[in-house]
This record gives sequence, C-alpha cells and structure tokens, in this order.
Amino acid sequence: DGGITQSPKYLFRKEGQNVTLSCEQNLNHDAMYWYRQDPGQGLRLIYYSQIVNDFQKGDIAEGYSVSREKKESFPLTVTSAQKNPTAFYLCASSRNGPPDTQYFGPGTRLTVL
Amino acid sequence: SQQGEEDPQALSIQEGENATMNCSYKTSINNLQWYRQNSGRGLVHLILIRSNEREKHSGRLRVTLDTSKKSSSLLITASRAADTASYFCATLNSGNTPLVFGKGTRLSVIA
Repeated sequence: DGGITQSPKYLFRKEGQNVTLSCEQNLNHDAMYWYRQDPGQGLRLIYYSQIVNDFQKGDIAEGYSVSREKKESFPLTVTSAQKNPTAFYLCASSRNGPPDTQYFGPGTRLTVL
Repeated sequence: SQQGEEDPQALSIQEGENATMNCSYKTSINNLQWYRQNSGRGLVHLILIRSNEREKHSGRLRVTLDTSKKSSSLLITASRAADTASYFCATLNSGNTPLVFGKGTRLSVIA
C-alpha cells in the first residue's frame, strides 16, 4: 500500500522545546514539501526539497529546520524560535518537482501548551 | 505569497444540487490544480488543468480556466453529502517554484 505517512497524528509540546515531525513516503518521489495550515486558512509553504541533500526555504521558514538525508524521508523540526507553532502540519510529495501533482500525508496537529 | 483566492469562502447546498466554486489568481500560470480536504485530513488532488486548456472533466467534476480573466471554476454536479469538504485551488507559476494554495471554499452538502 504505497503512500505518504506522517507521525504522530497529535503532538503536544511545552513552550521552549524543539519537536520533530516525521514524514515518510514510499512512492519513490523526488520532491517533498512541508506546509503549515492554520484554522480556516490555506496552506503556507515552510520548506521543500527537490532532491536528496538539497532543500529550499518556503514562505514561512523562520523557526523551522529540515533535512533530506534519504529520498523517502523529510523530517521537520519545529524549534523554540518559532513564536506561534500551534498548527496543523502537512507533508506532501511529488514525482518530480513543482509542476507535478502533490500527494499529501494525513497531517500532524501540533499543540504547544 | 498566496496567489489563488477562492470564492465563495463557504457554500451550503442541498444534496443533488450543483456546486460551483471560483478561483482567481494574479500572475501568469503554468497550470492550476484543484484539491479537496476533508476536515482534519490531508489534501487529495482532484484535477489539473494546463494554461493552454479551457475545460476539463473528471466524473462529476468540471473545471474551466479563463487565462484572460485569470480565473478558474470548479463545478461539482449532483452533489452528495460525501462531497462536504474544503476545496482549494493551487497555481503553478512559470519557472520551478512550488504550488501556491488559496484559502479554500468550505462546501457543506445537506442531505
């Protein structure tokens, strides 16, 4: 059953802590993306990667970091520098770069206590 | 830098009726895509229309694109309660920059 998975589904953290969100795909896609969605809002791009060991900042990269050491994995770290991290985080992948259809994971809801 | 803007923000219809959602954008595009999101879930791709296409069909979905007006519409015919979701348009500009998503239209189909 191919697809893109995110874990955990719900995540709670205390202020000042870093937290890492997992994103894995077995679709053999080259490109992967991280988005943030706030209630009633659209998606805003945090980071994207078109190839292993390379990634670019999106519109709201401040306070976040990523790595792309393996083709199938693109973890996102929400650092303590992110002022308002409570949100729904969505990971996506596409076969090649941006022109292609994106396939989304189920999302992780992060709540900062 | 959100480009696509959906209209209306929310739409409520009876089952069996047609639902029309519109998307306007600001700059030239390579293609425009429509996605659906059920509450608390990831997005699912519905349909892609290229800048040189004017209309595309997929099952009960019909998408039109008017590049002169920089707008697109998504029509869902004979709606069902299961169509209740948020619908987003996403535009791909020329070059290799990622998709830009709008804020979405929340569709409620009442049985």
